[in-house]
Amino acid sequence: QSVLTQPPSVSATPGQKVTISCSGSSSNIGNNYVSWYQQLPGTAPKLLIYENNKRHSGIPDRISGSKSGTSATLDITGLQTGDEADYYCGTWDSSLSDVLFGGGTKVTVL
Amino acid sequence: EVQLLESGGGRVQPGGSLRLSCVVSGFTFNTYAMSWVRQAPGKGLECVSLISGSGDTTDYTDSVKGRFTISRDNSKKTLYLQMNTLRAEDTALYYCVKLKQQLVGYSFYGMDVWGQGTTVTVSS
Repeated sequence: QSVLTQPPSVSATPGQKVTISCSGSSSNIGNNYVSWYQQLPGTAPKLLIYENNKRHSGIPDRISGSKSGTSATLDITGLQTGDEADYYCGTWDSSLSDVLFGGGTKVTVL
Repeated sequence: EVQLLESGGGRVQPGGSLRLSCVVSGFTFNTYAMSWVRQAPGKGLECVSLISGSGDTTDYTDSVKGRFTISRDNSKKTLYLQMNTLRAEDTALYYCVKLKQQLVGYSFYGMDVWGQGTTVTVSS
């Protein structure tokens, strides 16, 4: 069981918005930057968001990240079939001295 | 173009050893920390080990401490992971990953470049 908690799955129709949450504690999300990764089926993960809300190079502005307290959120608006993937949050845990990832959220486009 | 090319994976019996390598190109290797991240079949991501840009600071997840050793040769632009006393639960796809920072052990700014991975299977 991951220290960072993500919903196992979320779904929406094309054009709609999905929100993926990542819940942690003061030793990780509460006092460290959060990053988000997209893993398309059969491929390596790709960085989407770093330092809570900065888009990595080439990431469209319909993808955004935010953080409040000990939780972080990834929003995808204007959902497309190409967005079907697993999404992971990641952060540093100051108590464990480890990089942690959430358990991952599968996004399904209905 | 930034590239990370892993090699060294394979099938090994429990208790055996493997050495993974990752040759990089397209960026100034010695100014960035690197990591090995693994993904067991059908599972999520796990950061196995980190190493600073200079190589003088390393970090390991608890499950591999004392068994795995991360190292780098900046002159050869190559990252390594020596894996000893392998267990069935080490079976995974191992990714070589570049971090957005030089130092490790204090914070984490993100992993911006990932290799395609090399598969390690531990089975009798």
